[in-house]
Amino acid sequence: AQSVAQPEDQVNVAEGNPLTVKCTYSVSGNPYLFWYVQYPNRGLQFLLKYITGDNLVKGSYGFEAEFNKSQTSFHLKKPSALVSDSALYFCAVRDGYTNAGKSTFGDGTTLTVKP
Amino acid sequence: GAVVSQHPSWVICKSGTSVKIECRSLDFQATTMFWYRQFPKQSLMLMATSNEGSKATYEQGVEKDKFLINHASLTLSTLTVTSAHPEDSSFYICSANLRGNTEAFFGQGTRLTVV
Repeated sequence: AQSVAQPEDQVNVAEGNPLTVKCTYSVSGNPYLFWYVQYPNRGLQFLLKYITGDNLVKGSYGFEAEFNKSQTSFHLKKPSALVSDSALYFCAVRDGYTNAGKSTFGDGTTLTVKP
Repeated sequence: GAVVSQHPSWVICKSGTSVKIECRSLDFQATTMFWYRQFPKQSLMLMATSNEGSKATYEQGVEKDKFLINHASLTLSTLTVTSAHPEDSSFYICSANLRGNTEAFFGQGTRLTVV
């Protein structure tokens, strides 16, 4: 079984400030971790992924995430937030051992960046 | 990156009618596609896994006779909502994985409204 928790429904930050969107996961096998962003009435856009290698992963639009195996976390970060970053963010996990392709998504975190 | 296209982007139908949603992988072959349902301000719920040339695998609680899935080719999967009712109104999203690729590519979603 696999699961994802995004403990914050909403994150509010001021433009120019750093942002963090939290994600913790549970998976029995090898974790493949993903972050996606969704704008209203749109599908999901891929931001970044962790499969193996360096724990710090850099992705699209200046986002990055750090894989922490001991804390089973994969928090999304950005050094300086933009108003255009306001959107719904989903963390997802997949079991790399089974490679069945099924992803489990967190409940999502709404990020609001205020000017 | 790979592109997954969904059609239509939105559809309004009368209660009791059936609606077909198409999911196409435009520049790659997808042996497996996934269908998700998303309620407003909620996460994505996996409905079924669509396998080319075989029957779809449905998640627990999803009515297979209600949500018919056909994956007739390596680039096309369809979801048909049969005898639609207002409670079927939702945002439906498909995704596909490149063979051997760890990343899922998502369609732009279909907003279904049943009146």
